[in-house]
Amino acid sequence: KAGVTQTPRYLIKTRGQQVTLSCSPISGHRSVSWYQQTPGQGLQFLFEYFSETQRNKGNFPGRFSGRQFSNSRSEMNVSTLELGDSALYLCASSLGMVGKNIQYFGAGTRLSVL
Amino acid sequence: EDQVTQSPEALRLQEGESSSLNCSYTVSGLRGLFWYRQDPGKGPEFLFTLYSAGEEKEKERLKATLTKKESFLHITAPKPEDSATYLCAGGYNKLIFGAGTRLAVHP
Repeated sequence: KAGVTQTPRYLIKTRGQQVTLSCSPISGHRSVSWYQQTPGQGLQFLFEYFSETQRNKGNFPGRFSGRQFSNSRSEMNVSTLELGDSALYLCASSLGMVGKNIQYFGAGTRLSVL
Repeated sequence: EDQVTQSPEALRLQEGESSSLNCSYTVSGLRGLFWYRQDPGKGPEFLFTLYSAGEEKEKERLKATLTKKESFLHITAPKPEDSATYLCAGGYNKLIFGAGTRLAVHP
């Protein structure tokens, strides 16, 4: 069974640009969550989508947004990039309710903002 | 405020030297306590889920336990390949992660 796939693996952008990251969940998983990981803040929850609806959201500015398609694939968008957005962005999928069901993570997208 | 705290931040062990990692939590409505292992440049890899106080789970050299306030990850006779960052997380409708424990096992 294929795992969670994230593309691209690496991205370099400049301040002010926008970026879109992609995540394909494990087949059959309908919940997709996004996390930001930095050395200073660790892993922080961005948002979760389930059946194309955002179900939960973390404490991030509105520049961070996402969506989920009918095949459960998800995209995350960051607009007006700032230097502090440089991080590893991780996607995780699960069968159901986050907090109760196991979340399986992808390898992440390393975003560098110059 | 919901919080997950891990200690120690870093741990250096000799091969075969057993030890424990701590995860204390204050999470309202905790549904499950999760342990993950993360290697450099990779995403977290699932290890265990614990759902109720008193529960224990084992896998090879690792054993996870859970009380009402904390969880422990016991590592018995570790090997160099156990070197990684170990993360614990819990939550109600989202996972709150601890900062992790960086474990280094030397031959």
